[in-house]
Amino acid sequence: QVQLQESGPGLVKPSETLSLTCTVSGGSVSSGSYYWSWIRQPPGKGLEWIGYIYYSGITNYNPSLKSLFTISVDTSKNQFSLKINSVTAADTAVYYCAKEGRGGGGSVWFDPWGQGTLVTVSS
Amino acid sequence: QSVLTQPPSVSGAPGQRVTISCTGSSSNIGAGYDVHWYQQLPGTAPRLLIYGNNNRPSGVPDRFSGSKSGTSASLAITGLQAEDEADYYCQSYDSSLSGSRVFGTGTKVTVL
Repeated sequence: QVQLQESGPGLVKPSETLSLTCTVSGGSVSSGSYYWSWIRQPPGKGLEWIGYIYYSGITNYNPSLKSLFTISVDTSKNQFSLKINSVTAADTAVYYCAKEGRGGGGSVWFDPWGQGTLVTVSS
Repeated sequence: QSVLTQPPSVSGAPGQRVTISCTGSSSNIGAGYDVHWYQQLPGTAPRLLIYGNNNRPSGVPDRFSGSKSGTSASLAITGLQAEDEADYYCQSYDSSLSGSRVFGTGTKVTVL
């Protein structure tokens, strides 16, 4: 079955750019049936959806977040990535990638999830 | 910010039944969008527990069940076990937020 694995730096300085990658195995990001999402969880807090990408490059982001997020896909490597510009301490969180499952009428859920990667923003 | 509200905590003795509520609005649950539930054991990633309001993925015990009515949904755990101690999150779709996927505030289940 599909498995996802996040990778990236554990520590980033304020105002720098954070880049994370999600590697998909057991399936293809080019599958037209699924969207691929990023979700984050600040320490001790709840889950926040960041955005998704389709293999064609179509993206959609959480409108509640500032437009500092960019999600991209590399079908040749079976990966998708998240970039956050000008990070602040508020971006400290565990970042998860996940595959979206879909039913009809806007029914979308996340399964499976990657194990998550902790990113700390600190000087 | 979370647009779906859950109680911060619920507790029960082993073998008991507990329920977790998830309250939304007319732009998400009340608009007819499905509710999904996740279980997050300490130090691990969330895992899908219920999808499409009341469907269990393969491997999820039938002790877990979901329901939806109006602008709210509920997750019930019957025959509570020590291994059920975890955080639980509901999730839906919100039409007022440009196709946003929205999560609940999360509920900590404690087995007494």
